[in-house]
Amino acid sequence: GQQVMQIPQYQHVQEGEDFTTYCNSSTTLSNIQWYKQRPGGHPVFLIQLVKSGEVKKQKRLTFQFGEAKKNSSLHITATQTTDVGTYFCAGRANAGNMLTFGGGTRLMVKP
Amino acid sequence: DGGITQSPKYLFRKEGQNVTLSCEQNLNHDAMYWYRQDPGQGLRLIYYSQIVNDFQKGDIAEGYSVSREKKESFPLTVTSAQKNPTAFYLCASSPGDRRWDGYTFGSGTRLTVV
Repeated sequence: GQQVMQIPQYQHVQEGEDFTTYCNSSTTLSNIQWYKQRPGGHPVFLIQLVKSGEVKKQKRLTFQFGEAKKNSSLHITATQTTDVGTYFCAGRANAGNMLTFGGGTRLMVKP
Repeated sequence: DGGITQSPKYLFRKEGQNVTLSCEQNLNHDAMYWYRQDPGQGLRLIYYSQIVNDFQKGDIAEGYSVSREKKESFPLTVTSAQKNPTAFYLCASSPGDRRWDGYTFGSGTRLTVV
């Protein structure tokens, strides 16, 4: 079945440093979504990418979808303590409505 | 405001007991999902339902059961057959019908076996 891998599993950064998490799928995806889960909270939808090579920005967050539609990345510029949490990617294959979630990257930011 | 409500927030279960976790949504979403999250881990799919009166097993369905008698409701029962039920349980919904929108998650239920 479809597998979605995320790296790294954990990342500690100093406030102000940049952060990137990578997502790789075993199969071609129709679209990919990103979610953020704050400590003790629930996942919250951030964004969806659909087109090959698509790049979207949300303030300090930049999301990319690979040309082959099998990988994606989330980059945070100049991290802040409010960025703390676990970031999940979730991919949807060409058929069906089901998302497959990656294992998440837990971001910790030192003030 | 539309949303998805899970209850209770915390639940303690004695070994050998069945417990039922509630999930209700007023978003008029067709699809609903149950995930299990263990500390520091990702989300594992337990069951999902694309439409009323129909549901499918996910990756870790053993020891769990669900029903979908109403569009708004998708309760999860953790049975005594689930050997390690202590976890954070998340319910989610989406419009379904191949509308590729994001999932809306409830705030979760933390289940502890005592």
